[in-house]
Amino acid sequence: DIQMTQSPSSLSASVGDRVTITCQASQDISNYLNWYQQKPGKAPKLLIYDASNLETGVPSRFSGSGSGTDFTFTISSLQPEDIATYYCQQYDNLPPGYTFGQGTKLEIK
Amino acid sequence: QVQLQESGPGLVKPSGTLSLTCAVSGGSISSSNWWSWVRQPPGKGLEWIGEIYHSGSTNYNPSLKSRVTISVDKSKNQFSLKLSSVTAADTAVYYCARGYSGSEAGAFDIWGQGTMVTVSS
Repeated sequence: DIQMTQSPSSLSASVGDRVTITCQASQDISNYLNWYQQKPGKAPKLLIYDASNLETGVPSRFSGSGSGTDFTFTISSLQPEDIATYYCQQYDNLPPGYTFGQGTKLEIK
Repeated sequence: QVQLQESGPGLVKPSGTLSLTCAVSGGSISSSNWWSWVRQPPGKGLEWIGEIYHSGSTNYNPSLKSRVTISVDKSKNQFSLKLSSVTAADTAVYYCARGYSGSEAGAFDIWGQGTMVTVSS
């Protein structure tokens, strides 16, 4: 099984800061990595798919990069509405399955 | 636009079977998408349970495979989850989600609002 290690588990930053979250896979997963935002009491929302593609309607301050085993999610300028928990998610096709990272809780300083 | 809505009992007795349905509106369940169930225990992270295609093909999380059945009803444009032999560890918010056909990485682009299921006597 492919293991995903997401870090940090929590993060405190100021409005306007650049925020970075990382996700590391235990083996090469190519670009099979997605990022979600989840606000309290709400369903997750897809932000980035296939490691670096911005989902339609998502602000351009969100971005993703990486391939293979190491991936990065970035918010270029933190806004108050970005307070949420962020999850990475990988897809494995042999056998088909999906695994989420442990989550990063983002708070305003 | 496509919307998903979960429904089912909010309380299930230990050793019983959890049954949920996800109704698809604004689109067809026979489109080129896989349809998944994902759960989230209170205060914890997300766990994929399994998925189904409109043909009836399924894939399950190996850790739950022995207890899970996902089925599709094309006439009602919905799919369903059954989880047997439940324990308190199965208490969670259960989400249905659509697999994005434009993603190689199996992204879930549309989610239901989620339904809380508690396992308790």
